[in-house]
Amino acid sequence: SQQGEEDPQALSIQEGENATMNCSYKTSINNLQWYRQNSGRGLVHLILIRSNEREKHSGRLRVTLDTSKKSSSLLITASRAADTASYFCATCFKGSARQLTFGSGTQLTVLP
Amino acid sequence: EPEVTQTPSHQVTQMGQEVILRCVPISNHLYFYWYRQILGQKVEFLVSFYNNEISEKSEIFDDQFSVERPDGSNFTLKIRSTKLEDSAMYFCASSVDRGSNEQYFGPGTRLTVT
Repeated sequence: SQQGEEDPQALSIQEGENATMNCSYKTSINNLQWYRQNSGRGLVHLILIRSNEREKHSGRLRVTLDTSKKSSSLLITASRAADTASYFCATCFKGSARQLTFGSGTQLTVLP
Repeated sequence: EPEVTQTPSHQVTQMGQEVILRCVPISNHLYFYWYRQILGQKVEFLVSFYNNEISEKSEIFDDQFSVERPDGSNFTLKIRSTKLEDSAMYFCASSVDRGSNEQYFGPGTRLTVT
């Protein structure tokens, strides 16, 4: 399977703590994107990292990419209760024009 | 901030009926997509569309499915004869064609086939 897979499947932390989610994939990619989905709602684009990039920041988000290990991580610093959601990585594989392949997601719960 | 919109938010239909799901992509975007998410499962790619034609499609996107950009703003997904297994959340997305593949998703249409 080419799909990205996140771990852990579920993560529960206290407000103010950092949350780290990981994503692994199997074939070469053009880019990898992280999305957030609140229960029953649409997907919100968080950040895109290209295959030639190693790290990107956006506000409280930090994404890393290790193409040698075919893995990425999403770090949310100083988490808030409003960060409670499912987080998905989505990969655009080489050989695909723009199709995104989503993982199963990590359900993050931030306790107040 | 511009966003992708979808209508209706919830569609209930009987098996065998045709449904059309509608989307209005972000106005300066040139690539359009449909994905679906069956309850409890992963988001799955269906089709991408550029310059008035399909550029990529998945195995899911069989002859029962079609897409159209009937005017300058709408992008539609038609399912000709719905099956029970078509019940899912259908997401439309769009992206700007300038080397970026950041895809922006709409809120989804929940399709229930009875």
